[in-house]
Amino acid sequence: ILNVEQSPQSLHVQEGDSTNFTCSFPSSNFYALHWYRWETAKSPEALFVMTLNGDEKKKGRISATLNTKEGYSYLYIKGSQPEDSATYLCAFLYGGSQGNLIFGKGTKLSVKP
Amino acid sequence: DAGITQSPRYKITETGRQVTLMCHQTWSHSYMFWYRQDLGHGLRLIYYSAAADITDKGEVPDGYVVSRSKTENFPLTLESATRSQTSVYFCASRGGNTIYEQYFGPGTRLTVT
Repeated sequence: ILNVEQSPQSLHVQEGDSTNFTCSFPSSNFYALHWYRWETAKSPEALFVMTLNGDEKKKGRISATLNTKEGYSYLYIKGSQPEDSATYLCAFLYGGSQGNLIFGKGTKLSVKP
Repeated sequence: DAGITQSPRYKITETGRQVTLMCHQTWSHSYMFWYRQDLGHGLRLIYYSAAADITDKGEVPDGYVVSRSKTENFPLTLESATRSQTSVYFCASRGGNTIYEQYFGPGTRLTVT
């Protein structure tokens, strides 16, 4: 069974703090890694799709890096705001370029004003 | 409106009843998915479909049936609902390649009493 591990499970930060969390995935047969943002009572929304070793993606204050050789990706949030509070999911593509995503259990971020 | 919709949004049913959850997308995405969200497990894939009339099992298919006679619809049927199927169900769709983001519907909260 393939495992996608995310750490930490939860994180509490103050407004203005910068933070980061980790997604670990199998390093063999890599095709793509997805990041999603999931607010409570809503559905997951795509943040990034990363395909190349060394990829860096950025959307506003959120960025992500990818290391396919060692099997990890970092998500960074600069200057956290209360509206960044959500669960951040990563998902590893399994089964080839047209395969399915295996999701980690997420990192739940709470940002206090 | 374009997008992915699910109906009903909330459903309470009794053990042993048949229930069908509907999913409709307007992008003509080839791939569609059904996930369930449970505490401690994150998102788990129930069934997926690569195209009309092509479906396949995911991680937790037992007790569920799907069909895909049209590209835009992907209904999920619980043939004889059990309490263990109480969950939030998310439908998702994706274009034909993993570099494409996966889009999630708003979810259906199902309670089996």
